[in-house]
Amino acid sequence: EIVLTHSPGTLSLSPGERATLSCRASQSVSSNYLAWYQQKPGQAPRLLIYGASSRATGIPDRFSGSGSGTDFTLTISRLEPEDFAVYYCQQYGSSPWTFGQGTKVEIK
Amino acid sequence: QVQLQESGPGLVKPSETLSLTCTVSGDSISGYYWSWIRQPAGKGLEWVGRMYTSGTTNYNPSLKSRVTMSVDTSKNQFSLKLSSVTAADTAVYYCAREAGIINYWGQGTLVTVSS
Repeated sequence: EIVLTHSPGTLSLSPGERATLSCRASQSVSSNYLAWYQQKPGQAPRLLIYGASSRATGIPDRFSGSGSGTDFTLTISRLEPEDFAVYYCQQYGSSPWTFGQGTKVEIK
Repeated sequence: QVQLQESGPGLVKPSETLSLTCTVSGDSISGYYWSWIRQPAGKGLEWVGRMYTSGTTNYNPSLKSRVTMSVDTSKNQFSLKLSSVTAADTAVYYCAREAGIINYWGQGTLVTVSS
């Protein structure tokens, strides 16, 4: 199975700052089938990005995804108070689908 | 708007079978893949498996020997059974609609394995 590794584990930033989250795969992700999710405490994850760079319906344009092959990035251009959460990448190019362990974006 | 709701016992004894049902509202269950994903407290997400409404299934190999999924289109429900549970199966279990990407999630239900 494909192992996804997030870095960093925790990102401490202030509102208005730029956040750059990395997700590295143990092998190439087929067709760049890589998604990003946001999860807040006590809630189910919410789909942000799919296909490495396509924003899901209703997702603000401050969220953007990039990358291909084994290296992927989620960028939040200017952090809003509601963006402080845990972010997970997920690959769906090769079964079983797998998730990374997550990056927590916390208020500095 | 598609909504999913998990239901089932919140406490299961070790070695017994965990059984959960997901009720789908707002759309027909037919013609989609339906999944279960779980999350131990304070940890990451694990895809348990999925099934298509025709009955085709894909299970995570790490759980395959213990997992059974089924669907009841007449009730717009699908179900998960996980046998021979241990404390390691304690988690919040989410049901979801997926097409690889998981765009509809239930709120999740906590299942604790304990005697």
